[in-house]
Parts: sequence; C-alpha cells; structure tokens
Amino acid sequence: SQQGEEDPQALSIQEGENATMNCSYKTSINNLQWYRQNSGRGLVHLILIRSNEREKHSGRLRVTLDTSKKSSSLLITASRAADTASYFCALTLISNFGNEKLTFGTGTRLTIIP
Amino acid sequence: DGGITQSPKYLFRKEGQNVTLSCEQNLNHDAMYWYRQDPGQGLRLIYYSQIVNDFQKGDIAEGYSVSREKKESFPLTVTSAQKNPTAFYLCASSQADFYEQYFGPGTRLTVT
Repeated sequence: SQQGEEDPQALSIQEGENATMNCSYKTSINNLQWYRQNSGRGLVHLILIRSNEREKHSGRLRVTLDTSKKSSSLLITASRAADTASYFCALTLISNFGNEKLTFGTGTRLTIIP
Repeated sequence: DGGITQSPKYLFRKEGQNVTLSCEQNLNHDAMYWYRQDPGQGLRLIYYSQIVNDFQKGDIAEGYSVSREKKESFPLTVTSAQKNPTAFYLCASSQADFYEQYFGPGTRLTVT
C-alpha cells in the first residue's frame, strides 16, 4: 500500500495533556502533510514537512519526520476541547507514471475530554 | 471571503440517476481535486485537474466524470455506472500540484 498508516486509530486524553499520533509508510516520499477534519466537515491543512526536513513547528503543533524509519509524528501540546477531530497524514510521492500524487491515510480519531 | 464552496451540503438521488456536484473556488488556484470519503476511511482521489480544460483520473475514476471549463469551477458528475455512489464527496484546490490543499465543506450524497 502506498498510503500512510496512522497509529493509534483512536486516542482519548484529558484536556491539557499532550497528544501524539504517528504515521508510517512504505515508499519514498517527496513530502508529508498533516490535516485535521472535524466531524462531517472538510479537511484543514495543518503542516507540510519536506523529505529533507526533520522537524517543524506551528503553534502548539510539532511534526517530526524520520525518512530512515519511514515515519512521522504529530504532537499537539496542551490539548483543548477544540482539538477533538480526526487527523490524517498525507504522502506526496511519485506515481508509476512519473507524476506526483497525494495519498491519505485512514486517520487518528482524537477525543479531548474536558 | 476566499475559499471553496460546495453545493448542496446534502443530496439525495434515486438509483440510476446521474447527479452533478458543484465545486467553486475563488483562491485563484490552478489545481483542483475531487475526493471520496467513506465512513472510517481516508480520502480517495477521483479526479484532479492541474489546468483549465485538462484533467486526469485518480485512483477511483470509474463511474465519475468531470469538466474544467473555467479555472474557478470543477463540477463532478456521479453517473449511474458508479456502483456504490453513497459517500461524502470533498473538493479541494491548491496553488501547486498536490501541495497544501484547501478543502470545501463537502457534499454528502445518498443514493437509494
């Protein structure tokens, strides 16, 4: 499979705690993106990390990428109730036809308990 | 407000009927995409367009058709040939191919 696989599939934590979710993949990638989806809504882009980068920050978000292990992690610090959503990793890779394609994983469902 | 609009939010059709889902963007993006999402699943690419009057099949194009006559618009037609059309359909656009994508609110299609 060329898509990323998120782990865990579901995560429940207390408000204020940190949440970590992981994405593993099997092919070479150009970049990796994380998106958030609130229930029944469209996706919102969170962060893009290129294959030559190891870590990126955006507000309370921290993303790491380890291309040797073919894995990425998304850390949300000091979680809030509004962080309750599904989080997807998306891989940009070169398809068999030589063009880029973007594939989404199945997501981690994060629930923040007030 | 800049963004992507999809209409309608909910759509109900009888089996055997074609239905067209609307997607409009005012972000001046060249690339536009259609995805399908089934319950508990990730997104699967149906079609994408990198430029006006050109589009490519994604991973699950069978039973779908698109057009890109204007930069702002990328309508998706779900034909009667699509065996399992009930799903949540998401439209997206991006400045550059497959980079940061902006998504619309989605259309939930139910076919009975």
